[in-house]
Amino acid sequence: DTAVSQTPKYLVTQMGNDKSIKCEQNLGHDTMYWYKQDSKKFLKIMFSYNNKELIINETVPNRFSPKSPDKAHLNLHINSLELGDSAVYFCASSQDGTGRGGYTFGSGTRLTVV
Amino acid sequence: EDQVTQSPEALRLQEGESSSLNCSYTVSGLRGLFWYRQDPGKGPEFLFTLYSAGEEKEKERLKATLTKKESFLHITAPKPEDSATYLCAGEPFNDYKLSFGAGTTVTVRA
Repeated sequence: DTAVSQTPKYLVTQMGNDKSIKCEQNLGHDTMYWYKQDSKKFLKIMFSYNNKELIINETVPNRFSPKSPDKAHLNLHINSLELGDSAVYFCASSQDGTGRGGYTFGSGTRLTVV
Repeated sequence: EDQVTQSPEALRLQEGESSSLNCSYTVSGLRGLFWYRQDPGKGPEFLFTLYSAGEEKEKERLKATLTKKESFLHITAPKPEDSATYLCAGEPFNDYKLSFGAGTTVTVRA
């Protein structure tokens, strides 16, 4: 029973398209995140939601828009995809946003823009 | 800006050859220092959180320690299944996000 699940696992798309990545957690956690892992393996936070409320919004192009319909789901929509958006995107969750007990990550979505 | 630096970038070990990974951080008001393991094609898997200098935590062949400026992950008598990328991350008191290092990729040969 996967704790944090993301779909799709792989996404190949052309420049200019719009795509969405979905994330669901069944841990009962209050806080969810989107992280981006670039080709150099650095993980950088993009967004965080606590109980459906946006609490972290890093310097990310406004082509990226997160949506949290409820505290168990956090989706990421990307408009007008660019080559530089190619990366692995990870969803994560934590109990109360402080990370006690660790952040639980999904298995990632590898986005390739051609 | 919060920064986490890990060294070495890569570490090749013979099975049974113990070693240590280093994580130095400049995170203002560190709330916690996290260690994760990441296997190829998978998400980071939580290992430890350390909250104060002098704290140590152990799990099987791994032991993590924390000082005021850095953390070490000691791998004792590693086995091939310990091969992975080990990520270190700092969480500040005033923010709910992790600053990750680039990781150390450990390869253990039988």
